[in-house]
Amino acid sequence: DAKTTQPPSMDCAEGRAANLPCNHSTISGNEYVYWYRQIHSQGPQYIIHGLKNNETNEMASLIITEDRKSSTLILPHATLRDTAVYYCIVRVGGSQGNLIFGKGTKLSVKP
Amino acid sequence: DAGITQSPRHKVTETGTPVTLRCHQTENHRYMYWYRQDPGHGLRLIHYSYGVKDTDKGEVSDGYSVSRSKTEDFLLTLESATSSQTSVYFCATRDSEGSPLHFGNGTRLTVT
Repeated sequence: DAKTTQPPSMDCAEGRAANLPCNHSTISGNEYVYWYRQIHSQGPQYIIHGLKNNETNEMASLIITEDRKSSTLILPHATLRDTAVYYCIVRVGGSQGNLIFGKGTKLSVKP
Repeated sequence: DAGITQSPRHKVTETGTPVTLRCHQTENHRYMYWYRQDPGHGLRLIHYSYGVKDTDKGEVSDGYSVSRSKTEDFLLTLESATSSQTSVYFCATRDSEGSPLHFGNGTRLTVT
C-alpha cells in the first residue's frame, strides 16, 4: 500500500471549512483513498473514499488531484463535534487486505 | 455502527489467564477484523477473517488466536494474557472488497 503523509495537527474555527491535506505520492492506479476519523475513545468512523474523481457525501468532500498524488478532505462547516483524529489511508481493495492506520491529523475545532 | 457489538466493553484480568473478546455483527458482512490501539502506535491489525472458518494473521498476531464459526461472530482469544496486551481492542467489518470498514466501540482490556 502507498504511504501517506499528514500533518500531525491542525486547528479550525467553528463554522469555517476545515481542509485536511494528505500526500500519497506513490499511489498506484488501482488504489483508493479512504478517510476515517476517530473521536476520543470511540471506534473509527468512515467518512468518505474515492479513486480519482472528487466525491461528496453528507459529511464531507474529497478532492483528489489530477495526478492522484495528494488529496484534501473538506469539512464545509466545522463544528466542535468534528474535533477528532483524521486518518488518510490508501489501499487496494481485497479480501486479504486491510487498512493500515497511520498517526493521522488531530483536528481541533475551536469556538 | 453497522450493527457491531463488542463484549465485554471493559475487562480487568490477571496475567496468565485466558480471555475471549467477542464481536457480533448483524449486517451479514463477509469480512471481519480485530485491531488493537495503543498510544504511539495507532491502530494495528491482529487477525482478520474473510469468511466462516477462513482467518489470517495481521501484523501483531503473536499471543492471539481467533475463530469464526458463523458469519455474525468473530472471537479473539488471548490464551494467556500478558501485561503487554493491555490495550483497547476494536472489531471492524466490511461488506465486500473495496467497501469501507465499520468499527465497533471497542473493548478496554487491562491485564494486571
